[in-house]
Amino acid sequence: DGGITQSPKYLFRKEGQNVTLSCEQNLNHDAMYWYRQDPGQGLRLIYYSQIVNDFQKGDIAEGYSVSREKKESFPLTVTSAQKNPTAFYLCASSPGLADYNEQFFGPGTRLTVL
Amino acid sequence: SQQGEEDPQALSIQEGENATMNCSYKTSINNLQWYRQNSGRGLVHLILIRSNEREKHSGRLRVTLDTSKKSSSLLITASRAADTASYFCATILINPSGSARQLTFGSGTQLTVLP
Repeated sequence: DGGITQSPKYLFRKEGQNVTLSCEQNLNHDAMYWYRQDPGQGLRLIYYSQIVNDFQKGDIAEGYSVSREKKESFPLTVTSAQKNPTAFYLCASSPGLADYNEQFFGPGTRLTVL
Repeated sequence: SQQGEEDPQALSIQEGENATMNCSYKTSINNLQWYRQNSGRGLVHLILIRSNEREKHSGRLRVTLDTSKKSSSLLITASRAADTASYFCATILINPSGSARQLTFGSGTQLTVLP
């Protein structure tokens, strides 16, 4: 988990509320990513960003929004439009978007909608 | 979309035995990566093997890649209870323009090493 922090570790939300998950990295990486993981499943890409002020939709972007105002930060907002938001959310970063880069992951945030 | 798929879904072995996990993928790749995830934690990168490599070692890990069969295997030798985790393969999905797009993960193999 070194270099990437996510907060909070556990988050509870009532239906109809928006919630923002924090992701910060001090690795000086250009690229950052948000994934969703459901029980017993692999990771699915929500959004990714190659550079500040730029981001692209992944496979399951509906109901989510992101911003990349600073290189170090890539917050994810889970909106009320996301039908099944309860999941484990993982943030990652890499030096660039080039395909030879490994990704470094944060510890994750477990979101539960009540 | 699932590019890589691991097999088996779950594996249980005794400490000291070797563990082999397989990954199959569908499209051409530039590299294949293996990651480990302890329960409720983030993923940790284990090893990356490029498409022009056939085998790579890192400590007790041995990875093979067969691009003709579109498959890879991860071998953990002399397993320990601390190796208990989920293991994922990941490949880059290349978009039609040829530029790298995104890392896609399989659903993982859950390895349990019994003491």
